[in-house]
Amino acid sequence: GAVVSQHPSWVICKSGTSVKIECRSLDFQATTMFWYRQFPKQSLMLMATSNEGSKATYEQGVEKDKFLINHASLTLSTLTVTSAHPEDSSFYICSASRQGQPQHFGDGTRLSIL
Amino acid sequence: QKEVEQNSGPLSVPEGAIASLNCTYSDRVSQSFFWYRQYSGKSPELIMSIYSNGDKEDGRFTAQLNKASQYVSLLIRDSQPSDSATYLCAVNSGGSNYKLTFGKGTLLTVNP
Repeated sequence: GAVVSQHPSWVICKSGTSVKIECRSLDFQATTMFWYRQFPKQSLMLMATSNEGSKATYEQGVEKDKFLINHASLTLSTLTVTSAHPEDSSFYICSASRQGQPQHFGDGTRLSIL
Repeated sequence: QKEVEQNSGPLSVPEGAIASLNCTYSDRVSQSFFWYRQYSGKSPELIMSIYSNGDKEDGRFTAQLNKASQYVSLLIRDSQPSDSATYLCAVNSGGSNYKLTFGKGTLLTVNP
């Protein structure tokens, strides 16, 4: 149980492109989804916390207009990196949890902006 | 500021030995504690959760929690080369969103 699917696994695109990443909880209803970013050889950095049907809560220093999060249902959250630039290249990972349960992570999306 | 501290390592142990990974946390009201394993280039995978003082065993893994000392550890018995990874300690301090604070991770290398 507790399977989280993230798509796509890899994205390579030109600077200025907007990129959408999907995160789905496949076998449970996630009350909360989280979006993280991880640079090489560094720890996870929480970007935002998302509850179904409400606005995401962004961590300090994360631009909400740059990283758009939509949590339309209890099984789907999306992260859109708008007008991506090379400095946005990173490993983006989502996780999902239901109340009182541990977070389970998707496989991550490796984003490369040329 | 809630903090979770881990020795970054690398921690190197021979195959078959016990690997001991340690973590301390600053928030006394922390309620839930987790160990995640992250292989290079992959996302974290939950391997243990612990909620009350004492030991919790699952196969070759044992998590230990001491809330008075604000300390949580992970023991890996009969370490295998496939255990080589970064181990992340994560702490939840309550709240409705169950947000986790992660340590920076300890890199474990098990040598054949």
